[in-house]
Amino acid sequence: QVTLRESGPVLVNPTETLTLTCTVSGFALSDPRMGVAWIRQSPGKALEWLAHISSNDEKTYITSLNNRLTISKDTSKSHVVLTLTTLDPVDTATYYCARTLGYPQDWYFDLWGRGTLVTVSS
Amino acid sequence: SYELTQPLSVSVSPGETARITCSGETLTSKYVSWYQQKPGQAPVLLMYKDRERPSGIPERFSGSSSGTTLTLTISGVQAEDEADYYCQSADITVVFGGGTKLTVL
Repeated sequence: QVTLRESGPVLVNPTETLTLTCTVSGFALSDPRMGVAWIRQSPGKALEWLAHISSNDEKTYITSLNNRLTISKDTSKSHVVLTLTTLDPVDTATYYCARTLGYPQDWYFDLWGRGTLVTVSS
Repeated sequence: SYELTQPLSVSVSPGETARITCSGETLTSKYVSWYQQKPGQAPVLLMYKDRERPSGIPERFSGSSSGTTLTLTISGVQAEDEADYYCQSADITVVFGGGTKLTVL
């Protein structure tokens, strides 16, 4: 069974750095057919794609977050990690990781984790 | 970057056909995927590459395209189809539409 599970802090102070981990099972992060993405959703808002990492470690980021994001993976642990620096209350959101299929011009997300709600507040 | 535009809401009665559109200038050369999201749940993939349906998705869900507009059609709408629906496209980076709330009257 293929699953993805997000983990990380529930509450983070403004200006701090958020580190989230996506633990995958049922597929390998080295599988060339697949990648993993992070997507967030602010309360009551639309989905917003943040970053993607491919099986060969290529990384792609949303341009609007001005280099605040870093995505990485540990294939041996089946972990994909997202860090977001300089947090602001507007970063309060449910953060999802999702498995990516297809090529960059037709990426789609066939399986999602349940998401983890992160609140940025002092 | 580019944008995908969806109607904020669509309302239909049970058994009717719902059509949710997704418009974008670049969609003549990009594939679109569709997701269903129910309250408190993660999105679920409904359609990929415009009209391909993943296994387990009912046949009443279908996708079509015409120029710069993609359409998700739900035939014979059921109460359980009430949800938010998002379109998504990709070209190195990924963009989601603003989402459409489907209300089953």
